[in-house]
Order: sequence, then C-alpha cells, then structure tokens
Amino acid sequence: DSGVTQTPKHLITATGQRVTLRCSPRSGDLSVYWYQQSLDQGLQFLIQYYNGEERAKGNILERFSAQQFPDLHSELNLSSLELGDSALYFCASSTPSAGTGELFFGEGSRLTVL
Amino acid sequence: AQSVAQPEDQVNVAEGNPLTVKCTYSVSGNPYLFWYVQYPNRGLQFLLKYITGDNLVKGSYGFEAEFNKSQTSFHLKKPSALVSDSALYFCAVRDPYSGAGSYQLTFGKGTKLSVIP
Repeated sequence: DSGVTQTPKHLITATGQRVTLRCSPRSGDLSVYWYQQSLDQGLQFLIQYYNGEERAKGNILERFSAQQFPDLHSELNLSSLELGDSALYFCASSTPSAGTGELFFGEGSRLTVL
Repeated sequence: AQSVAQPEDQVNVAEGNPLTVKCTYSVSGNPYLFWYVQYPNRGLQFLLKYITGDNLVKGSYGFEAEFNKSQTSFHLKKPSALVSDSALYFCAVRDPYSGAGSYQLTFGKGTKLSVIP
C-alpha cells in the first residue's frame, strides 16, 4: 500500500459527459501528480500541483483541469469526454524532503468512455 | 527534453535464469533514473533509483540496475527470475534541473516480463 488513495476505481460514462477523479496523497506529501496510462501512449504526465499551486504542466488537454485543495487532496476534472479519453488515470505524490523525488502511485482510476 | 527508451516490448525468461530489462535515456546533465513495476490492475511500485555514486544500484525484491553513463543506459537485472516477477516494468528519468519540488518523471513505454515456470 503506497498510501495514495484514488477514487473511484472504475468509472463508465458516455461521450460528452464530465467526470471528476479524486486523489488523496500520502500523509505529509505536498505534491500531487496526475498521469494518464493508455495502450498507445503509455504513461503521460498531465499536471503537477504543489501545496495548492500548479507547478508543472505536461500533455494535458484543455478539456481537462485539476486543482489541489487546502487539505492537499486533488481532483482531476475531465469534460466533453471522447472515446479516446478511456484510460487508466494515476495520481502520485512525493515529498520534498526526499530530495531525489521518487513518486508514490495510487492504484489508479480506470475510465471507460462509451 | 528528456526521454527514455525501452527497446523490448516483451522479455521472456525461464524461472531461475538471470533476467535483464533494457533502458536507455536522454537527458541534459546528470540524470536521476528510476525503475518501477506494475502488476496487473495495480499502481506503479518503486523498485530502485540511481542518483549518484556507485553505478550498481540495489533495490527491492532482489532487483538491481547498472548505470552506464557512456552508453546512456540503466538496465534492470536480477540473478534468478521468479514466476512472481512477471509484470510490466517501467524505466523513468527525472531532469535534475527541474524546478525545486518538481519531480515529474518521464517514463518509457514499458516492458512486459514473463517468467516461464
């Protein structure tokens, strides 16, 4: 158990809909990272938040957005969903004191868009 | 921008034999390198990392990795494979010059390891 909690584990929805994925980082970790894992694209970094502020942005679509709340949990919002958004979405956290920055991953949220 | 290549989509090895999963990287400056493992329907688990120092890094579950700067490689190895090692393995690199507190990793495509009884 990594200590990172993601909900829901599975989500099935239709094209055009909007969903919210939730992540609670490990106790004490200030950074949250979102990754998308798909068969054709592999693991793609989407976005990072550090203590409530956006720190880095990767290949995140404009239809997607995220935020980190004062209690450090994070939400990834996916809107106007398309079939190609079907993927496994991972949240990871890290602690600055680690220095070298290994990430600790949650179990992921599997999104299926029909 | 940094990148990671895992040239083999799949590696098959017999139980008890040594295994190697290959990884090459491209990054400006000295790299921070990582290996993660993913079991079916699970998240990624950290195995080991190279930051500096000894080129042979030991990690979890008997795995080790050899850093070779001249070949820009970071191959994962284990002397004797177990059936339970069968999983998806990811090599990753972090840009050492990324901003403070910014530890996003760039992952390779992954290599599926199958250990045959």
